[in-house]
Amino acid sequence: GENVEQHPSTLSVQEGDSAVIKCTYSDSASNYFPWYKQELGKGPQLIIDIRSNVGEKKDQRIAVTLNKTAKHFSLHITETQPEDSAVYFCAAGSNFGNEKLTFGTGTRLTIIP
Amino acid sequence: EAQVTQNPRYLITVTGKKLTVTCSQNMNHEYMSWYRQDPGLGLRQIYYSMNVEVTDKGDVPEGYKVSRKEKRNFPLILESPSPNQTSLYFCASSSRTGAWTEAFFGQGTRLTVV
Repeated sequence: GENVEQHPSTLSVQEGDSAVIKCTYSDSASNYFPWYKQELGKGPQLIIDIRSNVGEKKDQRIAVTLNKTAKHFSLHITETQPEDSAVYFCAAGSNFGNEKLTFGTGTRLTIIP
Repeated sequence: EAQVTQNPRYLITVTGKKLTVTCSQNMNHEYMSWYRQDPGLGLRQIYYSMNVEVTDKGDVPEGYKVSRKEKRNFPLILESPSPNQTSLYFCASSSRTGAWTEAFFGQGTRLTVV
């Protein structure tokens, strides 16, 4: 089955600096890669996703890049703000056969004011 | 408001006492799933359902049961809970008529089995 590895597990960044979280996946059939943000006491919430026919996607301060050849994708947050502090999860899913969305182990991002 | 509702939010129970965690969504989504979240292990899928009466095992199904008799509801059943099922549980739903779309998560159920 699919295996998603996520690094780092914790990340502290000065407010205003950029943060990068990286994930690798094992199943070449995976074609959907979402990123979820989980704030304290809440369920995960989608912040951005990318499909395998696209190499990069941006939404204001958030961007995701995908390298299908290397089987890795990354989340980039620029101009970080205190409200970006949360746990972030990457995930990988396929439309064919395996109907599961497999999550990484999470990254706790702390923005230092 | 589009939402996934789980109940209860917190539950403390004793080993062996059957319990059910309910999950309901109001978005007419076909796909529903249950995850457990444990420190250092991320979100692991327990069971999922592609539609009414269609369920399948996820990565950690042992000790759990589910049913999907109605499209909006997907309860998680622990027939004989054990302490290693102490965890934070999330229900999620998404539209899956074709490609993957956004999964909406409930607020979570923190279960403690003593």
